[in-house]
Amino acid sequence: DTAVSQTPKYLVTQMGNDKSIKCEQNLGHDTMYWYKQDSKKFLKIMFSYNNKELIINETVPNRFSPKSPDKAHLNLHINSLELGDSAVYFCASSQTGHREQETQYFGPGTRLLVL
Amino acid sequence: GNSVTQMEGPVTLSEEAFLTINCTYTATGYPSLFWYVQYPGEGLQLLLKATKADDKGSNKGFEATYRKETTSFHLEKGSVQVSDSAVYFCALRTYGNNRLAFGKGNQVVVIP
Repeated sequence: DTAVSQTPKYLVTQMGNDKSIKCEQNLGHDTMYWYKQDSKKFLKIMFSYNNKELIINETVPNRFSPKSPDKAHLNLHINSLELGDSAVYFCASSQTGHREQETQYFGPGTRLLVL
Repeated sequence: GNSVTQMEGPVTLSEEAFLTINCTYTATGYPSLFWYVQYPGEGLQLLLKATKADDKGSNKGFEATYRKETTSFHLEKGSVQVSDSAVYFCALRTYGNNRLAFGKGNQVVVIP
């Protein structure tokens, strides 16, 4: 009964390839996120969707394209992978409403290595 | 904007020692404050949170008090164990703003 799950956990690929990471949450939340953690462990938000609508789109190369088919899923597609895309990508979810509710819960991460 | 500052560098200490990790913040608006923990090879787990001034969040022996006057949310544990070895992140979010702003994290290594 994992709350926020991501697949795959590890992804090793060649430069120039296209890959997707999938995220699913079973918490009934209405908002989902993608964060990137670099080699120094620094975390930065990339995207956020609320009820399938894009609400946060940080300065991210347009090779990265999120897609939310429904409230429970948020996928991340990356085109033409580059060495600098190597990182850990975390999915998270939260429920909008009272400030007590707006806690973000994270998935286990996808460790992407581009060779 | 919102930002979080954590003390520089890893923290190495012996088992049963007292742990403090400093966290200060700047925020536009009234933030909620969080500590997340990342164990080796794992994802981020919410450790504790506080949503208003003077609230104390606590979990697994860890505590942090929301100090509005000093804009701080320092994490403490009275007696650490080897299993507490992890990276600890302080974070904040202002109400209605979906972005979590994270500090740079502190690697904590507990030696038996």
